[in-house]
Amino acid sequence: QSALTQPASVSGSPGQSIAISCTGTSSDVGGYNYVSWYQQHPGKAPKLMIYDVSIRPSGVSNRFSGSKSGNTASLTISGLQAEDEADYYCISYTSSTTFVFGTGTKVTVL
Amino acid sequence: QVQLVESGGGVVQSGRSLRLSCATSGFVFRNYGLDWVRQAPGKGLEWVAGISTNGSPMYADCVKGRFTISRDNSKNTLYLQMISLRTEDTAVYYCAPDEKMGAFENWGQGTLVTVSP
Repeated sequence: QSALTQPASVSGSPGQSIAISCTGTSSDVGGYNYVSWYQQHPGKAPKLMIYDVSIRPSGVSNRFSGSKSGNTASLTISGLQAEDEADYYCISYTSSTTFVFGTGTKVTVL
Repeated sequence: QVQLVESGGGVVQSGRSLRLSCATSGFVFRNYGLDWVRQAPGKGLEWVAGISTNGSPMYADCVKGRFTISRDNSKNTLYLQMISLRTEDTAVYYCAPDEKMGAFENWGQGTLVTVSP
């Protein structure tokens, strides 16, 4: 159960779009459409931003979108805002009927 | 609204045991799978264990054989029995209802487990 691979950091200027990748294998990301994304601000509990690869829960801004191609899922944040500065984690269901998180990405708004 | 209150954390020596509880309200407990997720200080999120509505458990490899997840539908409470604790088990432990295959929409405040050498 190796963690999914995410870039350690991604940055962008306000108004720009950024994408965070989440790379796994055919036994997790590539095998199931059960990828979720979480935002976590320092000292806070994680917040669900995307589930089932591309579905936004009620109340989540439409600036956040998800997609998947092969063994890599992506979270795109468009119109980057200062409040988007946080850590982001992906998670995927696996063929072992378990879940595995990504390594996490720190998003910095320049 | 959904409330999740984790308890049972504390400081324990390596090799000892601890039982975490997660008292819940605001949703139909028996209808949801439930999971434990942890976060070591300054580190990322790690899925630890999950239990289905029918009581089937699942574990991360790093805790298999040492942790036992269970649920009491009559008390709307989730548990995590941890034995043979290691220093690397030091983390904040969160419980979360699994809305849909890894989609944890509600989280508690977490309970801190510190395992000393």
